[in-house]
Amino acid sequence: KAGVTQTPRYLIKTRGQQVTLSCSPISGHRSVSWYQQTPGQGLQFLFEYFSETQRNKGNFPGRFSGRQFSNSRSEMNVSTLELGDSALYLCASSTGQRQETQYFGPGTRLLVL
Amino acid sequence: GIQVEQSPPDLILQEGANSTLRCNFSDSVNNLQWFHQNPWGQLINLFYIPSGTKQNGRLSATTVATERYSLLYISSSQTTDSGVYFCAVERRDSSYKLIFGSGTRLLVRP
Repeated sequence: KAGVTQTPRYLIKTRGQQVTLSCSPISGHRSVSWYQQTPGQGLQFLFEYFSETQRNKGNFPGRFSGRQFSNSRSEMNVSTLELGDSALYLCASSTGQRQETQYFGPGTRLLVL
Repeated sequence: GIQVEQSPPDLILQEGANSTLRCNFSDSVNNLQWFHQNPWGQLINLFYIPSGTKQNGRLSATTVATERYSLLYISSSQTTDSGVYFCAVERRDSSYKLIFGSGTRLLVRP
């Protein structure tokens, strides 16, 4: 099976712009979670989607949003980018059941100038 | 919320040495995973281990859920083991959300 894929892998934006990141889960997986990793805050949970529904959300401002499509692919969007949004964005894939291993993609590195 | 603490924060070893990484957590958990983050940023699954002991080659892990800690053992370390090791837990009453520790940065010198 192919692993979790994320596109793009690298992105440079300027403050005020918006960005959309994409994640394709492992075939057959219906849950996609998003995490932000920064040197200061570490790895933090953004949100989780299962069957096109957001099941859980972390403590991020409303500028961070996501969605999931019927094929389980997910996108996250960040509007009105700030310098502090520069980070590695990781998505994780699982079957969506409790007590399941989560598998991570390679990440998207976002730099906001 | 649940606290996840990893120790030591940094570790330098000579190739061939053994090491033990620790993860303490402050509440009951459904899920505990160990990851290795490679230099390119990808999190590689090492173990899914909410309780008990598992081994995979030179790596093994033990979680004592009743005492709220997990240990990752690396034996005969190699330079390719360098990177950051993360422990992540899912709280028993929280859905589908991993809480990560701050990691242990390991450098294995040749």
